[in-house]
Amino acid sequence: DAGITQSPRHKVTETGTPVTLRCHQTENHRYMYWYRQDPGHGLRLIHYSYGVKDTDKGEVSDGYSVSRSKTEDFLLTLESATSSQTSVYFCATEGLAGAGEQFFGPGTRLTVL
Amino acid sequence: DQQVKQNSPSLSVQEGRISILNCDYTNSMFDYFLWYKKYPAEGPTFLISISSIKDKNEDGRFTVFLNKSAKHLSLHIVPSQPGDSAVYFCAARIGAGSYQLTFGKGTKLSVIP
Repeated sequence: DAGITQSPRHKVTETGTPVTLRCHQTENHRYMYWYRQDPGHGLRLIHYSYGVKDTDKGEVSDGYSVSRSKTEDFLLTLESATSSQTSVYFCATEGLAGAGEQFFGPGTRLTVL
Repeated sequence: DQQVKQNSPSLSVQEGRISILNCDYTNSMFDYFLWYKKYPAEGPTFLISISSIKDKNEDGRFTVFLNKSAKHLSLHIVPSQPGDSAVYFCAARIGAGSYQLTFGKGTKLSVIP
């Protein structure tokens, strides 16, 4: 499995505050993804990156931004957190897009009060 | 509009028997399908995949069947073990080089000893 870590693993914050989640990988995978998982929705793609400084929007990108300045790190930022962004966030990586499976990190549980 | 559907939220099976998890899709452009397993408080882990040029793929106790005409796939686990108790997600993607996985909502499998 790809070495993927996410930090923090748990976070409680208040509405209107900025939040940044970090994903770090040690596999030198080119492609990285941010998903959110909510009851009744499965996993939904927020943003993805196909290289350093190359990112694009996914299905549910409103209210989120990302940055990737190094191959190993992919940051997800909630500029002004809302209660609807309470969720579990998963980072994933993939060596070759479309070549096979994505490898997932352990997740970050975010609660916005 | 949900493109990947897992209509059974939960399934209970006796240890040693067969578990059959089902998945339907609506987008005929999907040509690669994956199953992920997820334990509580962990990220999803890849289980098995199948390309649309095949109708069956086997890996140990796990077999995935694809019926393209019916836009249906199923995951068979034989024999089921208590450690198989988890949430199973079906996912699909369009074409080689495609970035986005579309996930179903998941089916919670409970294997009863």
